[in-house]
Amino acid sequence: GENVEQHPSTLSVQEGDSAVIKCTYSDSASNYFPWYKQELGKRPQLIIDIRSNVGEKKDQRIAVTLNKTAKHFSLHITETQPEDSAVYFCAASISQGAQKLVFGQGTRLTINP
Amino acid sequence: GAVVSQHPSWVICKSGTSVKIECRSLDFQATTMFWYRQFPKQSLMLMATSNEGSKATYEQGVEKDKFLINHASLTLSTLTVTSAHPEDSSFYICSAPGWGTGYTFGSGTRLTVV
Repeated sequence: GENVEQHPSTLSVQEGDSAVIKCTYSDSASNYFPWYKQELGKRPQLIIDIRSNVGEKKDQRIAVTLNKTAKHFSLHITETQPEDSAVYFCAASISQGAQKLVFGQGTRLTINP
Repeated sequence: GAVVSQHPSWVICKSGTSVKIECRSLDFQATTMFWYRQFPKQSLMLMATSNEGSKATYEQGVEKDKFLINHASLTLSTLTVTSAHPEDSSFYICSAPGWGTGYTFGSGTRLTVV
């Protein structure tokens, strides 16, 4: 089955700097890659996703890149703000919604003022 | 948009008792529901997949007799933790294939077994 590895487990950056979180996946059949932000005790909140027919997607300060050959994808947050501090999870599934979603281990991002 | 209502949001129960967690799809029909467990400072681990009208599929290492899943209708899936013990204390969350956003998550249930 699918295995998703996420790094780093913790990341601390200065406000205004960029943050990058990386994930690798094992199943070449996976074709949907969402990123979630989770506040303590809350449900995961989708921040951006990408499908395997696209190499990059951007939404304001957030971008995701996908390298299908290497089977890895990354989250990029630019101009970080204190409210970006949270735990971020990457995930992978085969076809959007139809198959189980496997999560990475999570990254605790801290933005220092 | 698609909404999954999960109840209760938190529950405290005595060791040895059973607890039922419900997830309802409010504005769509969820033929599939994924159940996750999340221990503190850890990731969401898939426990099982429920399908309306058929038996649930459990992930390796998950005791199906302990975690009973029922998906009797297109809008309701339930997880019952039977004979709960302190090690079952965790955050349980359901997720259904939604519209547009891929997966719609319930709000989660914090279970504490004392």
